[in-house]
Amino acid sequence: NAGVTQTPKFRVLKTGQSMTLLCAQDMNHEYMYWYRQDPGMGLRLIHYSVGEGTTAKGEVPDGYNVSRLKKQNFLLGLESAAPSQTSVYFCASSEGQPQHFGDGTRLSIL
Amino acid sequence: GENVEQHPSTLSVQEGDSAVIKCTYSDSASNYFPWYKQELGKRPQLIIDIRSNVGEKKDQRIAVTLNKTAKHFSLHITETQPEDSAVYFCAGGENKLSFGAGTTVTVRA
Repeated sequence: NAGVTQTPKFRVLKTGQSMTLLCAQDMNHEYMYWYRQDPGMGLRLIHYSVGEGTTAKGEVPDGYNVSRLKKQNFLLGLESAAPSQTSVYFCASSEGQPQHFGDGTRLSIL
Repeated sequence: GENVEQHPSTLSVQEGDSAVIKCTYSDSASNYFPWYKQELGKRPQLIIDIRSNVGEKKDQRIAVTLNKTAKHFSLHITETQPEDSAVYFCAGGENKLSFGAGTTVTVRA
């Protein structure tokens, strides 16, 4: 089993561009989460999903959208990237707890 | 929502000594408290967790204690080794977790 797989691993965008980060899990987990990690601030929850077709806002949802059309995939979209969205993005999945994390996507917005 | 605070932000210990990291939480409804270890450039990895119906849990050199009344929990690492050097995060919640800001632990050889 691959666990939680995130693509891409690295990306550089220009301000105003859009992109989608993909998270895929092969553990048949109901819950999936998107976090951002910034220096000195730990992990902050952006959006999460409690099952296929559901999404909910986390602590820092502004500027991001998500979709969970298939149980195994959770997509994070940036419609108009801003320099403040430069961060490392982690996806996680769980069946209750604990959460299992992917390797992260390092995103830079110029 | 839940608010988790973690102290200290940095911790330097001599190899073989113990390390203690403390966290407090605000939401009395939180019932799950994991600890994650993150090495540079890697994913957070669960090292131990505790649920609110348990006061203490131990796994080899790692232990976690929980005081529900005071709303705080702590990570204890005994006989520290150089490979224990990493950033440690506490978290609290139920299905959603709030994370502390992290503690950078350095074990001096």
